Amino acid sequence: EIVLTQSPGTLSLSPGERATLSCRASQSVSSSYLAWYQQKPGQAPRLLIYGASSRATGIPDRFSGSGSGTDFTLTISRLEPEDFAVYYCQQYGSSPPTFGQGTKVKMK
Amino acid sequence: QVQLVESGGGVVQPGRSLRLSCAASGFTFSTYGMHWVRQAPGKGLEWVAVIWSDGNSKDYADSVKGRFTISRDNSKNTLYLQMNSLRAEDTAVYYCARDLSPGLPLYGMDVWGQGTTVTVSS
Repeated sequence: EIVLTQSPGTLSLSPGERATLSCRASQSVSSSYLAWYQQKPGQAPRLLIYGASSRATGIPDRFSGSGSGTDFTLTISRLEPEDFAVYYCQQYGSSPPTFGQGTKVKMK
Repeated sequence: QVQLVESGGGVVQPGRSLRLSCAASGFTFSTYGMHWVRQAPGKGLEWVAVIWSDGNSKDYADSVKGRFTISRDNSKNTLYLQMNSLRAEDTAVYYCARDLSPGLPLYGMDVWGQGTTVTVSS
């Protein structure tokens, strides 16, 4: 099973700032099958990025994903008030699919 | 619009059973693999199971293998999760989710339901 480790655990930033979230895998993720999800309190996760760098339908272009192999990054170029949430990475290149423990982006 | 609506959650005693349902609409249900993913209170996401679009293949997390059964009725656009021998550690919000791609499941999820809460407690 591939273990995903996200860092940092919490990111304290102000609106307008840039957020950089990291996801490291315990072994190489096949075909860059890496996704990012956003989850707000009391809501279901929402797909942001799949295939490491492809934005899902309707996702603003301030969200971008990069990386390959074992190291992946989600970047939010300029934080909007609605972006403060928990973000999870997930690998789906091998079964079982696994999630990172999450990074909370909170307002400073 | 594409929508998934779960139901069937509740409070159940350890060792008992519960069946969850997920009603799908707004897309051709029979062409997509479907997943169950759960989230224990205050914790992260855990994949539970997947079923292929035709229902003939299934895959499970080790934590539920032999106790949970995923199934689907493509004529009713509905996904199910039969949960037997429930344990306290199965307490969670259970989400159904659509696979990223029609055809063979990729094991990523692009559409999620709002979740249904299962509490296992005596």
